[in-house]
Amino acid sequence: AQSVTQLDSQVPVFEEAPVELRCNYSSSVSVYLFWYVQYPNQGLQLLLKYLSGSTLVKGINGFEAEFNKSQTSFHLRKPSVHISDTAEYFCAVRALRGSTLGRLYFGRGTQLTVWP
Amino acid sequence: GAVVSQHPSRVICKSGTSVKIECRSLDFQATTMFWYRQFPKQSLMLMATSNEGSKATYEQGVEKDKFLINHASLTLSTLTVTSAHPEDSSFYICSARDRVLEAFFGQGTRLTVV
Repeated sequence: AQSVTQLDSQVPVFEEAPVELRCNYSSSVSVYLFWYVQYPNQGLQLLLKYLSGSTLVKGINGFEAEFNKSQTSFHLRKPSVHISDTAEYFCAVRALRGSTLGRLYFGRGTQLTVWP
Repeated sequence: GAVVSQHPSRVICKSGTSVKIECRSLDFQATTMFWYRQFPKQSLMLMATSNEGSKATYEQGVEKDKFLINHASLTLSTLTVTSAHPEDSSFYICSARDRVLEAFFGQGTRLTVV
């Protein structure tokens, strides 16, 4: 099976500052990696995903993430955050093969709060 | 991206009654749909995997008689919380998967049992 660790449950940051949300994963098979954003009382919206190719992937709203296979990490970054980025962020993985094919495994989430 | 519509977005019901939540894939066929439950400030907990035309597969600890799942068509899955109690109050989210295994999420349903 797969597991995802988001070390930071809360990340406060001031507007226009850079931010990094950390994600590490564990899996015995190759995986796809995802970041989702959730605003209060809403479902999940895909920010970006890594399937293959370049390890640096760019997503919506100015976010990007870098896949590091040796460190089994997929950290999310934004060079300058806005108040509107305040939300819960979830990292997720999906196995490429095996009995859990197609199933998403989520981290516990990181609450990003952007202060003016 | 593809759209998944979940309805209702909010529901308040009396203890002992049943509540049905619908999840529809609007512009694609979803052979598989997932139902999640989310407690405040926590991650999504997978409750069950629903495959069109067959019985749902429930995760360990989820009562299948309590949470009835029906996936009668390639665009619709329903979750019925039977004989709801206050401890069933939660945020429920569905997800539909397309043919390339991309997952799209509904807007969620806030269930409050009083």
